[in-house]
Amino acid sequence: ETGVTQTPRHLVMGMTNKKSLKCEQHLGHNAMYWYKQSAKKPLELMFVYNFKEQTENNSVPSRFSPECPNSSHLFLHLHTLQPEDSALYLCASSQDSLAGEVYEQYFGPGTRLTVT
Amino acid sequence: AQSVAQPEDQVNVAEGNPLTVKCTYSVSGNPYLFWYVQYPNRGLQFLLKYITGDNLVKGSYGFEAEFNKSQTSFHLKKPSALVSDSALYFCAVSQRGYQKVTFGTGTKLQVIP
Repeated sequence: ETGVTQTPRHLVMGMTNKKSLKCEQHLGHNAMYWYKQSAKKPLELMFVYNFKEQTENNSVPSRFSPECPNSSHLFLHLHTLQPEDSALYLCASSQDSLAGEVYEQYFGPGTRLTVT
Repeated sequence: AQSVAQPEDQVNVAEGNPLTVKCTYSVSGNPYLFWYVQYPNRGLQFLLKYITGDNLVKGSYGFEAEFNKSQTSFHLKKPSALVSDSALYFCAVSQRGYQKVTFGTGTKLQVIP
């Protein structure tokens, strides 16, 4: 186990549904990330949070809405998704990068999302 | 801007033979380089990283990587492959002061018994 948990592991939702993905880290890190992993594509960074503040939004459509209530929890709220949003959504955490250093990331197992 | 390339979609190697998974990168400053491994239905796991210092970096599970500045490469190596090493391997790059880590497309390693 990496110390990062994600729920649910699998999610099927219709295009008009609203759902949320949850991530929790038990590593004492201050930075958290959402990534999208699609087949045959590089891992796509979606959002970065440092000390609960969003520090990176990689031009993600507004139908994806992140929330970081504290340094241990990260949510991704989903609404009116499209079939092309079907993918594996990965959460990760690391030591914060505000001082300029770049640290290794610890990933959760992911949520396999299917939009029908 | 920063980028990373993994030129091989798949690498096949016989069990017990040495393995190499290739990675080249492009950054404007000094690179931070990482290797991660992903097993089926799992997230990525950190293997090793290079920041500065010795060009040969040792990591988890007997893996090592060689940093070559002139060739802008960071190839992953292991002297003797195990069947259990079969997985998807990702190279990643960043640089000091960047929030973003850029990942490659991944190389599938198949170790044949």
